Amino acid sequence: ILNVEQSPQSLHVQEGDSTNFTCSFPSSNFYALHWYRWETAKSPEALFVMTLNGDEKKKGRISATLNTKEGYSYLYIKGSQPEDSATYLCAFLAQTGRQLTFGSGTQLTVLP
Amino acid sequence: IAGITQAPTSQILAAGRRMTLRCTQDMRHNAMYWYRQDLGLGLRLIHYSNTAGTTGKGEVPDGYSVSRANTDDFPLTLASAVPSQTSVYFCASRPYAANTEAFFGQGTRLTVV
Repeated sequence: ILNVEQSPQSLHVQEGDSTNFTCSFPSSNFYALHWYRWETAKSPEALFVMTLNGDEKKKGRISATLNTKEGYSYLYIKGSQPEDSATYLCAFLAQTGRQLTFGSGTQLTVLP
Repeated sequence: IAGITQAPTSQILAAGRRMTLRCTQDMRHNAMYWYRQDLGLGLRLIHYSNTAGTTGKGEVPDGYSVSRANTDDFPLTLASAVPSQTSVYFCASRPYAANTEAFFGQGTRLTVV
C-alpha cells in the first residue's frame, strides 16, 4: 500500500485569507503527483499534474509546488473565496504499477 | 456518450446478491481505475487497469473483481455484496502518459442492506 498523507484534514478560514495544504508521498517510485478539487455532490476535477522535482504550477489564485526528493507537495490558495470551499485531494502516480493513489483530502471551508 | 459514464447512478442491493457496476469511456484512455469514497478516508483504490487485457489490485480489492476486455469498458463486480460495501463508487480514466490527469465518472451510490 502506497502511503499518501494530507494535512490538515480540515480547515476553516475567513474570506480573503491565504492558506496552504500539504501532501506527503513516497520519495521513491515517483512518476507524477496530481492535485484535484472535489466539490460536494460532484466528481473530482484536476487542478495540476506535476512530474518534475521543483515544479511550480499556477492557476489563478491557486498554485502548487513539488519536492520529489523529500516527498512532499504544497497547494496554496491566495485570497480565499467562499467558492473555494471544497475538498482538495492529492494523488501519487507510481512509476512501477502505475497505480493512482489518493490521500484522504483536506476539506476547506471559506467563511464569508 | 461524452467522457466517462457510470451506471447505475444509485442502487439498493440486498446482502448476498451479485452486482456489476458499469464504467464506459469514449476518450480512448489506456488507464482506468475504480475507487470507493469513504468518510474521512477520501478515495480508496479498489482495482485498476493500465491497458486492455491487464488489471491490478489496489488498496482494498477484497470482495471485488474487474475485467478489461476492451479499451472503453471497465466493469466492477461485487460477487456477494456485504453491508460494508455500502459506498459511493467512482470510476476514472486517464491517458497513460505521466503528465496527464484523470477524468472521473459521476459516481454510483450503492447501499447494501
